[in-house]
Amino acid sequence: DAKTTQPPSMDCAEGRAANLPCNHSTISGNEYVYWYRQIHSQGPQYIIHGLKNNETNEMASLIITEDRKSSTLILPHATLRDTAVYYCIVRPTSNTGKLIFGQGTTLQVKP
Amino acid sequence: GAVVSQHPSWVICKSGTSVKIECRSLDFQATTMFWYRQFPKQSLMLMATSNEGSKATYEQGVEKDKFLINHASLTLSTLTVTSAHPEDSSFYICSARDGVAGVNEQFFGPGTRLTVL
Repeated sequence: DAKTTQPPSMDCAEGRAANLPCNHSTISGNEYVYWYRQIHSQGPQYIIHGLKNNETNEMASLIITEDRKSSTLILPHATLRDTAVYYCIVRPTSNTGKLIFGQGTTLQVKP
Repeated sequence: GAVVSQHPSWVICKSGTSVKIECRSLDFQATTMFWYRQFPKQSLMLMATSNEGSKATYEQGVEKDKFLINHASLTLSTLTVTSAHPEDSSFYICSARDGVAGVNEQFFGPGTRLTVL
């Protein structure tokens, strides 16, 4: 599975957009980019995933570069409840692909 | 989204006892379930993958005789920590994938905090 690199921590002001970067320079053509987050002492929560095109849902937007070697998760209007560890994971499209978690980015949203 | 539950949410036990943790998919059939372990201030570590009706596949370094996994139905998987010791104290998290409907996302349970005295 491709490895991902994320900054260990980031701060964001409440109400502002939070942009979380992820590098996955060794990603293969059959691998999706997934984003999960984990609020303290809870199970991870699925946010969004994508293959090549940018994606948007009610939680966030995912911007994937044209060469697919990096991506950015955007929380458009961060709230205090968005404080969590955010994990960027690449996984094969096949049903046997496992989610392997790296260290993630700890996002602290401040008032 | 799909809901995965775990029971119990926390457990305290004496060293040497066995502890069973249940993971249920509440509104979908989970052909594949995963078990993770998370120590304080660390990321999730995948322990094993289980497919309904077959033996679990354990990750390297995880003792299959210590962490018994049973996935007897499409909605239930159990993890039994046998002869637990203080170093087994951790946050255990399961996840389930809805393979039957062709959905590829993995949904996580709320976790079970195990403390071994």
